[in-house]
Amino acid sequence: QKEVEQNSGPLSVPEGAIASLNCTYSDRGSQSFFWYRQYSGKSPELIMSIYSNGDKEDGRFTAQLNKASQYVSLLIRDSQPSDSATYLCAVNTGNNRKLIWGLGTSLAVNP
Amino acid sequence: SAVISQKPSRDICQRGTSLTIQCQVDSQVTMMFWYRQQPGQSLTLIATANQGSEATYESGFVIDKFPISRPNLTFSTLTVSNMSPEDSSIYLCSVESAYEQYFGPGTRLTVT
Repeated sequence: QKEVEQNSGPLSVPEGAIASLNCTYSDRGSQSFFWYRQYSGKSPELIMSIYSNGDKEDGRFTAQLNKASQYVSLLIRDSQPSDSATYLCAVNTGNNRKLIWGLGTSLAVNP
Repeated sequence: SAVISQKPSRDICQRGTSLTIQCQVDSQVTMMFWYRQQPGQSLTLIATANQGSEATYESGFVIDKFPISRPNLTFSTLTVSNMSPEDSSIYLCSVESAYEQYFGPGTRLTVT
């Protein structure tokens, strides 16, 4: 059974701090990794994708991938109250292009 | 990224009836996916819909209950048949573009 695990939270950080979200996956053959943000009552929104080991930065967001340790993380710098949402980790194992989803981590950024 | 619309955005239906949800994309895409999301839960894939072939259903989902059409590269429908209160959920379509999945706004279904 291929699995993606996330800490459900809630993760609470003060405004301006760095929020660190983590995700582990079980299938060592996984090839593509995605972070989605989902506001309450809205659909998931893709914020980062990463395919190779290392860091990928996009504005205040940095995705980090370590295939040897089978984890992917998302760092949010200078966290804002508008970042308060559930963050979903999704992994593509390469079979049928389906994504395996984590249960999500709830993030609360406190003003 | 693709722009995706879904209709209806929400509906309240009586048990035993059926509802068809439409998903329209502003560009041609090969792969479309239908998901269900229960309140406070993560996403559950119902089926993958490729144009020109039968939809591929995930374990626990069957064609008689969730028939899917994919008549062209920009459109798909999901029907929820013979509904029961357990079918109350948010239904989401997504499309794959450049190996990334993008979601429509969702359809909130309540079955009474």
